[in-house]
Amino acid sequence: NAGVMQNPRHLVRRRGQEARLRCSPMKGHSHVYWYRQLPEEGLKFMVYLQKENIIDESGMPKERFSAEFPKEGPSILRIQQVVRGDSAAYFCASSSVSGGSGDEQFFGPGTRLTVL
Amino acid sequence: SQQGEEDPQALSIQEGENATMNCSYKTSINNLQWYRQNSGRGLVHLILIRSNEREKHSGRLRVTLDTSKKSSSLLITASRAADTASYFCATDADGNNRLAFGKGNQVVVIP
Repeated sequence: NAGVMQNPRHLVRRRGQEARLRCSPMKGHSHVYWYRQLPEEGLKFMVYLQKENIIDESGMPKERFSAEFPKEGPSILRIQQVVRGDSAAYFCASSSVSGGSGDEQFFGPGTRLTVL
Repeated sequence: SQQGEEDPQALSIQEGENATMNCSYKTSINNLQWYRQNSGRGLVHLILIRSNEREKHSGRLRVTLDTSKKSSSLLITASRAADTASYFCATDADGNNRLAFGKGNQVVVIP
């Protein structure tokens, strides 16, 4: 059973370009979460999605950032017109259930975005 | 300790010793999870403890939770060089799966 897959592992973009980060959850998991980790810091929640639905996007910047989890295919985190401050590691996690008791989230290896 | 405005902690120990790290949080929680992150890598889930639990074990790991003090501790017994990593706690405040991470504890185990 493969774990959470993310690609690319490393991504370099120039200011103003677009970045697309992909995440395939663990088999059988229908809940996907995106987190951002700045250097020397812990992870910050960005968005929580289920298939075709955004459940919670309270951690997403209001502009330039968007996320989707289509019926088929991986979840995509899209950053338009990247700026140097977007440079960070972006982690995706997945879980099998959600609800009042919560559940373990299993993380992918991350995508390290560098904006030149 | 982790979380809030506290600085991340660094711990250096000899192989075979026990390592204890702490985590504090501010709100009531549904559960608390501990993760390990090796340098430049992803996070590995270690253990989840729910708000109605006080202690949990997994192999060489022991986690305690004190909801009255809003704190948790992670104990690694008989440490190994491979345990060298950063350890993060993360809380789920209301079961919405929006994890709030601390800044981490860096542990170095010297062979």
